[in-house]
Amino acid sequence: QLQLQGSGPGLVKPSETLSLTCTVSGGSISSIGYYWAWVRQPPGKGLEWIGSIYYSGSTDYNPSLKSRVTMSVDTSKNQFSLKLRSATAADTAVYFCARRDSSAWFLDSWGQGTLVTVSS
Amino acid sequence: EIVMTQSPATLSVSPGERATLSCRASQSISTNLAWYQQKPGQAPRLLIYGASTRANGIPARFSGSGSGTQFTLTISSLQSEDFAIYYCQQYSNWLTFGGGTKVDIK
Repeated sequence: QLQLQGSGPGLVKPSETLSLTCTVSGGSISSIGYYWAWVRQPPGKGLEWIGSIYYSGSTDYNPSLKSRVTMSVDTSKNQFSLKLRSATAADTAVYFCARRDSSAWFLDSWGQGTLVTVSS
Repeated sequence: EIVMTQSPATLSVSPGERATLSCRASQSISTNLAWYQQKPGQAPRLLIYGASTRANGIPARFSGSGSGTQFTLTISSLQSEDFAIYYCQQYSNWLTFGGGTKVDIK
């Protein structure tokens, strides 16, 4: 059974870079037909898609975050990563990693979420 | 950006009753719509995609309908484990979520 596990610092200082990694187990990140995505949820609020990456490195980013986001993939470790630059308090959220269908962009498998707080 | 609007914000339902949740898109999205269930402290779980296709392992009491700009998620007979927040998500143009409908116990 596919499992996704996010990890990274729970506290980031304002203006610094938020960095998270998602480790995929029970399946290959190089599987044809799937992208790997990040979605975030501020405390008590709704969901926001951040972006997605294919095992080849092809990416698509939310236009509202594109200037600050970089995603990467490491197929040897079955991991993908998120970097969000110039973090502010508005970036405080639970960050979920998920699997996205490559042709129809729904998210069919999710990690448990990692709370990241941006504060000095 | 396609804006997704869900209503009502909160729906109070008794166990065993039917729940009907609505989702409206700001422009036509054909049937490029998914529904998710989220319980407190958990990740969302995919229920429906393609507006009406149940995901693997989802009980038949969950059904989705609609196309274009108007969509509905129906839970035919609410079970205790169904009290949660439900989100719709369009994937016609990028990926955006609605604000959610909380289904709580009446």
